[in-house]
Order: sequence, then C-alpha cells, then structure tokens
Amino acid sequence: GQNIDQPTEMTATEGAIVQINCTYQTSGFNGLFWYQQHAGEAPTFLSYNVLDGLEEKGRFSSFLSRSKGYSYLLLKELQMKDSASYLCAALDSNYQLIWGAGTKLIIKP
Amino acid sequence: GAVVSQHPSWVICKSGTSVKIECRSLDFQATTMFWYRQFPKQSLMLMATSNEGSKATYEQGVEKDKFLINHASLTLSTLTVTSAHPEDSSFYICSARDGQGDTEAFFGQGTRLTVV
Repeated sequence: GQNIDQPTEMTATEGAIVQINCTYQTSGFNGLFWYQQHAGEAPTFLSYNVLDGLEEKGRFSSFLSRSKGYSYLLLKELQMKDSASYLCAALDSNYQLIWGAGTKLIIKP
Repeated sequence: GAVVSQHPSWVICKSGTSVKIECRSLDFQATTMFWYRQFPKQSLMLMATSNEGSKATYEQGVEKDKFLINHASLTLSTLTVTSAHPEDSSFYICSARDGQGDTEAFFGQGTRLTVV
C-alpha cells in the first residue's frame, strides 16, 4: 500500500533550526510536496522536489532522496509564526497526492 | 501563485438540510479539482476528484449520493452535502491544478461546516 510517515509533533526554540523528516512508499513517484497549515486554515505550498538534492528557499529548505524514499523540510531562524502543521505529500504514478498526517511544530520563546 | 477561491468560509446548518460549497479558480483553468475533508488533528482525506465535464471519481467509502460534485466549467466546481448530519461536520477543502505532472496544487481557503 501507499504510505507517508512523518513525526506527529516536534518542539523547537525560537531562532533555532528544526528538521522535519518524511518517508514515503508510493506506487510510482512523481515528486514530493511540503505544505504549511495553520490551525483552521487551508494548506499553503512551501516546496516541491522531484530530483535528488536540496532546494533552498529563504529560511526553508527541502531535501529529497528518491533511492531512500526520504525527504526533509529544514526551517532556519525559527519564528513564532512558524508554529503550524507541516504536511508532506507524495505524487504517485497516477499524479494523485498521497498525504502524510502532518507534523505539528511548536515553537517556544 | 494561482488563486483558488472557496466559498463560504464557514457555515452552520440544521441537520437534514443541504449545503453547497463553491470552489473557483480565479486566474487559471482547472481541468481537475480535488475535494478533501479534514477532521481535527487528522490528515487531509481525499473525497473525490472531479474533471470538467465528466462525473467525479469518488474515493472508497465516500457516498456519491450524499456528496454531490459538479464541475460544469473549467473554473468552478461545487460540492453539495445533502441531508447533512452532525457527523458531516468537518473542514472541507478544495484544490485545483492547472495541469498534470509536477504542477503544485493550489488550495481554497477551506469551509468549516457545522451541522447542528
């Protein structure tokens, strides 16, 4: 079956760095997305990776290893507003998004 | 990025009534739209995929007669929750893509439905 695994919850300190991991098993693979979702709101797009390697976009970076079925989202210089759920989603061979349950990130002062 | 507008943002309705949720792509043509449901502290669950001009494809366990989806144009899809019950209370989110492959999915703002 298809499966996405990511930690349920993580805690980090304002100003620090945090890495949120995601492993996936899908029928075929056409890329991996990271979304940010604040409570009660719709997800917003953060990144998309389809090739191995690191994609940097400001304070956020996303990494992909296709051979390992693994990705991570790296958040630097954490701010209180970064407190949210971070959703990992893989695009399978039918171009359907398979969603993880999300990682709730709690930022402490 | 592209804009997807979902309306209403929240709705409270009485048990047994029907509620219609609209999803519009404002600056692109969405050949495919997706409808998700999200219960508190849970992942997005795909309910159905709708393609313009054809019947929606429902995921297993989703009642097609209860959740009516219409995608009559390239910019509008609607989800109607018929004969709503309290257990239908949830956060409903639509998503649209303007192509296949590696295009990102753009989300509407979501609709918080409360059935009393």
